[in-house]
Amino acid sequence: GENVEQHPSTLSVQEGDSAVIKCTYSDSASNYFPWYKQELGKRPQLIIDIRSNVGEKKDQRIAVTLNKTAKHFSLHITETQPEDSAVYFCAAGGNTGNQFYFGTGTSLTVIP
Amino acid sequence: DAGVIQSPRHEVTEMGQEVTLRCKPISGHNSLFWYRQTMMRGLELLIYFNNNVPIDDSGMPEDRFSAKMPNASFSTLKIQPSEPRDSAVYFCASSPLAGGSWEQYFGPGTRLTVT
Repeated sequence: GENVEQHPSTLSVQEGDSAVIKCTYSDSASNYFPWYKQELGKRPQLIIDIRSNVGEKKDQRIAVTLNKTAKHFSLHITETQPEDSAVYFCAAGGNTGNQFYFGTGTSLTVIP
Repeated sequence: DAGVIQSPRHEVTEMGQEVTLRCKPISGHNSLFWYRQTMMRGLELLIYFNNNVPIDDSGMPEDRFSAKMPNASFSTLKIQPSEPRDSAVYFCASSPLAGGSWEQYFGPGTRLTVT
C-alpha cells in the first residue's frame, strides 16, 4: 500500500511568517493529495486538495505544490495567524479507489 | 445536514469486553471509512465501504476487529475481545464518491479507553 512520510513533526513560527510542511509518497500511481487540519480535540477537516494533473493550487493564504517526478508535495501557509495553530495531515491515494493514506501529522504553533 | 454522527462519544471498558462503535454517514454519501487515531501511529485507515460493500480491510489490525455496513445509513466497528492497546480515537468519515469529489467528512470520533 501507499506510504506517506511527513516533515517536520512539529513547527513553530512567529505570527505573520510563512510555514511549510513537506510530504513524500511511495506509490507513483497515487493521483489525489488532500491536506487536513485538525484542531485540538476536534475532527480533521479538509483545507485544500490537489490532483496529479495540477502542479500547484492556491486558496487565499494556503497553497499546495506537487512534484510527481520526485513524489513529493508541500503545503505553504503565508501570513500565519494564531488560529492556524493545529495539526496538519497530508494524504495520498486515489490510485485504486477513493481511499487515501495519511502522513503522521505536523503540529503547527503560531506564536503571537 | 447533521454531518457524520458517531456514538458513543466516549467509551470506557475493561479488557476482554466487546465494544461496538456506531456511525451514521451523511445522507447521500456512498463511501464510508473507519480510521483509528493514536499519538504513536497517527491516522490509520482500518476499512472502507463503497455502496455498503467492503472494499479494502487490509488496515484492520487483527481478527478481533470487524466492521459491517448493513445499509447506506449505518455502520458498526466491533472489537471483541478488547485490549488496552486498542485505546484510541476512532473516526468514521463519509464521502460522496460520485460527482468527482473525494473529500471525506469526519465524524466527531469515539474516544475508546480499555483498562
